[in-house]
Amino acid sequence: AQSVTQLGSHVSVSEGALVLLRCNYSSSVPPYLFWYVQYPNQGLQLLLKYTSAATLVKGINGFEAEFKKSETSFHLTKPSAHMSDAAEYFCAVSEQRRSSASKIIFGSGTRLSIRP
Amino acid sequence: NAGVTQTPKFRVLKTGQSMTLLCAQDMNHEYMYWYRQDPGMGLRLIHYSVGEGTTAKGEVPDGYNVSRLKKQNFLLGLESAAPSQTSVYFCASSYPRVVVTEAFFGQGTRLTVV
Repeated sequence: AQSVTQLGSHVSVSEGALVLLRCNYSSSVPPYLFWYVQYPNQGLQLLLKYTSAATLVKGINGFEAEFKKSETSFHLTKPSAHMSDAAEYFCAVSEQRRSSASKIIFGSGTRLSIRP
Repeated sequence: NAGVTQTPKFRVLKTGQSMTLLCAQDMNHEYMYWYRQDPGMGLRLIHYSVGEGTTAKGEVPDGYNVSRLKKQNFLLGLESAAPSQTSVYFCASSYPRVVVTEAFFGQGTRLTVV
């Protein structure tokens, strides 16, 4: 069964600094991987997804993530943090099957804070 | 274009009461999910469905039941609510093909059991 581990429940960076949120996955078959963002009192919004087309995936709001099979990782980065990036971020995984994907499992989340 | 709609948005229950949360999607998605979100625990999958008339258990199914009688609706039932079921519940749907495989979420239902 697939699973996701997010390292660090809370990350704080200064405005303009690099953002790095870590995600490691476990899957017995090739995975689909996702990053979602949740702003306070809202639902989840997709930032980006990996579906095996390219290992470096670009998403919305300047975020990107790189799939590294050897490290079973899918870390999320942004070169320069903005105050509006403060939110909770979730990594998620589903498994590729012959004709469809499996259910989607989420990590425990990382709360990103931005210091002025 | 409504997407995924959850009803109700807020609810307070007394211990032992029952209720049903309704999720409706208008995207013709095959998969539907119910998650609960608790501080520090992320989203945990309660039950899910891969098609009309089918349901399956997720990570934390105890105390909940679900039904998917119509493709567009996925109901989550609490037969006898407990304080441990105080949480924010999210419904999601997806179309599990390579091109469009991510989950689309509703706005959540905040449930308090007293």
